[in-house]
Amino acid sequence: KAGVTQTPRYLIKTRGQQVTLSCSPISGHRSVSWYQQTPGQGLQFLFEYFSETQRNKGNFPGRFSGRQFSNSRSEMNVSTLELGDSALYLCASSGTGSMNTEAFFGQGTRLTVV
Amino acid sequence: GQSLEQPSEVTAVEGAIVQINCTYQTSGFYGLSWYQQHDGGAPTFLSYNGLDGLEETGRFSSFLSRSDSYGYLLLQELQMKDSASYFCAVRAYQTGANNLFFGTGTRLTVIP
Repeated sequence: KAGVTQTPRYLIKTRGQQVTLSCSPISGHRSVSWYQQTPGQGLQFLFEYFSETQRNKGNFPGRFSGRQFSNSRSEMNVSTLELGDSALYLCASSGTGSMNTEAFFGQGTRLTVV
Repeated sequence: GQSLEQPSEVTAVEGAIVQINCTYQTSGFYGLSWYQQHDGGAPTFLSYNGLDGLEETGRFSSFLSRSDSYGYLLLQELQMKDSASYFCAVRAYQTGANNLFFGTGTRLTVIP
């Protein structure tokens, strides 16, 4: 069973640009969550999608957005990049059911804003 | 919102036992999870406690006290490969779903 796949693995962008990151969840998983990881801040919740609908959103500005497609693949977009957006962006997929207790993470996309 | 507190760093000797504590504040609490992340790697699931008490999985055990909003991860017979960051995370219900919210992580260094 293939794991969670994130592309690209590394990105370098300039301030003011926008970026799109992609995440393919484990086959059969319909929930995809996105996290930003920076040193000392842990993993901060960005948003979660289920069946193409955003169910929850963390405390991030509107420059951070996402979407999910009918095949459960998800993308997140960051517009007007700032230096502080440099981070590892992780996505995680989960199965369905009331006790889906485990999240499976991809290797992440390392974004550097210069 | 959610807040989780865990120590930032812990050092322990190979073969010893180490306990990493986690206290949390959240509404809509479902349970407490633990994840391990090696440098450059993805977080991987270690354990989940939905009910009070101890869950054991090999050398790792995790404990939850819902009344104290407290849990811990216990690592026994430490090995060098256990050097990693360990995150506690609450599963909490917000609008429409329960999601995972992470602490800032504890960096465990195992020394010979």
